[in-house]
Amino acid sequence: NAGVMQNPRHLVRRRGQEARLRCSPMKGHSHVYWYRQLPEEGLKFMVYLQKENIIDESGMPKERFSAEFPKEGPSILRIQQVVRGDSAAYFCASSPLTVTDTQYFGPGTRLTVL
Amino acid sequence: AQSVTQLGSHVSVSEGALVLLRCNYSSSVPPYLFWYVQYPNQGLQLLLKYTSAATLVKGINGFEAEFKKSETSFHLTKPSAHMSDAAEYFCAVSRSGGGADGLTFGKGTHLIIQP
Repeated sequence: NAGVMQNPRHLVRRRGQEARLRCSPMKGHSHVYWYRQLPEEGLKFMVYLQKENIIDESGMPKERFSAEFPKEGPSILRIQQVVRGDSAAYFCASSPLTVTDTQYFGPGTRLTVL
Repeated sequence: AQSVTQLGSHVSVSEGALVLLRCNYSSSVPPYLFWYVQYPNQGLQLLLKYTSAATLVKGINGFEAEFKKSETSFHLTKPSAHMSDAAEYFCAVSRSGGGADGLTFGKGTHLIIQP
């Protein structure tokens, strides 16, 4: 069973461009979570999605950030008009159906904004 | 609201010595608690989790943690450190078992193993 997959692993964007980060959950997992890790900081929760639904987006910045988890295909975290402060590692995690299940993390996407 | 405090951003121990990484939590509901390890440029790997069963939880790689409600603590220990234990360790708390809401992480403790 393949683990959580994220791509790209490294992404470089210039200020004002768009960044799209992809996450494929583990097989059989229907819950996806996105976290951001800034240098010297722990991970900060951004958003929790199930297929075609955003369950909790309380950690998402109000502007420029959006996330989706379509019926088919990977989950996408989209950052429009990136700024240097968006430079960080973005991690995706997935878990199975039940509320007591563990979240399994992907290797992350390291976004650098020039 | 939930929060996690990890005491000590860096902990250094000698190879073979006891490892103790401290974690204190705050939660308005009975918490679920986790320890994750992160190696450089990698994702997080679950070491162990507490889900209100036994208060002493055993995890992978010889690590264990004890849930102490009276002290609101969930410290991570390992009797004998190995060079391969050098990594970043994160304590996290959840309102559920982890599958139904986002985790709240501490800032992490960087574990250094001295030869």
